[in-house]
Amino acid sequence: DVKVTQSSRYLVKRTGEKVFLECVQDMDHENMFWYRQDPGLGLRLIYFSYDVKMKEKGDIPEGYSVSREKKERFSLILESASTNQTSMYLCASSTGTGEQETQYFGPGTRLLVL
Amino acid sequence: GDSVTQMEGPVTLSEEAFLTINCTYTATGYPSLFWYVQYPGEGLQLLLKATKADDKGSNKGFEATYRKETTSFHLEKGSVQVSDSAVYFCARSRGSYIPTFGRGTSLIVHP
Repeated sequence: DVKVTQSSRYLVKRTGEKVFLECVQDMDHENMFWYRQDPGLGLRLIYFSYDVKMKEKGDIPEGYSVSREKKERFSLILESASTNQTSMYLCASSTGTGEQETQYFGPGTRLLVL
Repeated sequence: GDSVTQMEGPVTLSEEAFLTINCTYTATGYPSLFWYVQYPGEGLQLLLKATKADDKGSNKGFEATYRKETTSFHLEKGSVQVSDSAVYFCARSRGSYIPTFGRGTSLIVHP
């Protein structure tokens, strides 16, 4: 089974802090994704990566950056956390380029920015 | 653009009731369609999918049929259980391997 793990289940940070969220997948998937999940808004794509060192902006990239130095690891960075970045963050991975590809999700990191 | 609209929740049912969660999508291209489920405290996982018109996806007693004429992919189950309580997300591909998700529908099943 594909396993996607995220470094923390819960995080509490202060406004202005730099925050790193880590995601690791163990199935050699090419594609990795970061979403945020908010009540009433569903999942929104922040960034994605289709290969090592490659990254593409999603639908809401403002205030975020990402890093993919190794195939199995995809990091989301909040350069200067703000209260409106309080959310649930979900990492996902997939393989291939077809429209039918399944996404495999981690358990999520619930981030609270005070 | 490519979007998915699903019914707002929560949907509250008694055990063994029939379930329908409506989902419609914008009719651009020939998308693949998905239902994902998120159990409490977990990430999303694929429940079922369909890749072309008239295909039926099924899993764990849930079914959904890809209806091109009505641009719909409604999720159904004949007899829900308490363990089906979760948030259900409808999704469509957007011309690539990247999906667009609906806002999610919470299902609460009472014993």
